[in-house]
Amino acid sequence: KAGVTQTPRYLIKTRGQQVTLSCSPISGHRSVSWYQQTPGQGLQFLFEYFSETQRNKGNFPGRFSGRQFSNSRSEMNVSTLELGDSALYLCASASYRAKAYNEQFFGPGTRLTVL
Amino acid sequence: QKEVEQNSGPLSVPEGAIASLNCTYSDRGSQSFFWYRQYSGKSPELIMSIYSNGDKEDGRFTAQLNKASQYVSLLIRDSQPSDSATYLCAVSGYSTLTFGKGTMLLVSP
Repeated sequence: KAGVTQTPRYLIKTRGQQVTLSCSPISGHRSVSWYQQTPGQGLQFLFEYFSETQRNKGNFPGRFSGRQFSNSRSEMNVSTLELGDSALYLCASASYRAKAYNEQFFGPGTRLTVL
Repeated sequence: QKEVEQNSGPLSVPEGAIASLNCTYSDRGSQSFFWYRQYSGKSPELIMSIYSNGDKEDGRFTAQLNKASQYVSLLIRDSQPSDSATYLCAVSGYSTLTFGKGTMLLVSP
């Protein structure tokens, strides 16, 4: 079974620009969560989508948004980029169908650098 | 505010020894507990999940959960240099995961 895929793997942007990151979950998984990882703050939860609906949201400004499509693929968008948005952005998928229903499996991440 | 606390380390152990990693959490309503391993420059990899009090063993790994003490641990037996990584503890109520900042483990040959 193919794992979680994320594109692009690396991205360099300048302040004020916007960026869209993409995530394809494991086949059959309906939940996609997004996280931001930085050396200082660790892994922080951004939001979770389940069956095209945002189910949970972390404590991030409105510049961070996301969506999920009917095939469970998800995108997240960051508008008006700031230097502090430089981070590894990770998505994780979960099935919520099996015994270990909320095990989350991570993709390789997108490394975003804001100059 | 849900919190998950881990000692940042590094925890240094010699090859062949048992490595013991610990984690405490603040939310008594937490139901699911996970350990992830993260190599430098890579994404987290799920290595253990535990849902009920007691021990769960998988190969060289044993996860231990004590909900009354709000404490989770991971034991790695016969530690290998390839186990050198950051180990992240994650706690969940139903869906969202709250992560600790991780403990760096260094296994010396």
